[in-house]
Amino acid sequence: DAKTTQPNSMESNEEEPVHLPCNHSTISGTDYIHWYRQLPSQGPEYVIHGLTSNVNNRMASLAIAEDRKSSTLILHRATLRDAAVYYCILRAPISNFGNEKLTFGTGTRLTIIP
Amino acid sequence: ETGVTQTPRHLVMGMTNKKSLKCEQHLGHNAMYWYKQSAKKPLELMFVYNFKEQTENNSVPSRFSPECPNSSHLFLHLHTLQPEDSALYLCASSQDYRTGPGANVLTFGAGSRLTVL
Repeated sequence: DAKTTQPNSMESNEEEPVHLPCNHSTISGTDYIHWYRQLPSQGPEYVIHGLTSNVNNRMASLAIAEDRKSSTLILHRATLRDAAVYYCILRAPISNFGNEKLTFGTGTRLTIIP
Repeated sequence: ETGVTQTPRHLVMGMTNKKSLKCEQHLGHNAMYWYKQSAKKPLELMFVYNFKEQTENNSVPSRFSPECPNSSHLFLHLHTLQPEDSALYLCASSQDYRTGPGANVLTFGAGSRLTVL
């Protein structure tokens, strides 16, 4: 499986934008880029995903480099509730059975400073 | 109730006990997963079920025995566990991609925190 590299930790001030980087230099042409986050004492939750174009949803934006070897998750205005571990994952091709095969790394622990 | 519900949230057991973890999803999904999250380690995929059939077993020791009686329920039966099996066990579900859109997303439960003494 293609791997991702993320910083172990980041800090950001409350109410400021946060840019979480992810490197995936061995990404294949069919790999989607997924982001999940795990709040304290919770299971991971889906944030956003994309293939080639930048994507926006109510939670965040995903900026994908033109060569797809890196991407950035953007939280436009961080709140204390955004403190979590953020995982950047390359989604391997769907198995023949139709299920997801997501391989989680160690992620980036985001701390929000009030 | 919506989402993925796991019970119990916390479990302490001895190495000779037999216990079970339960997962229930109310999302109409038909793929269900067990993940293990040990301290300071990434999530590890354990088992996958599609339409009640096991489609993935990621070389999990036989002391972990999954059961999927229907597409909404998933169990993990535990017996003769070791202290190193202490971890957060996470259940997730997703829509089988062959049945329609929205297959890209895993929905996780809050997990069952297991301590083996």
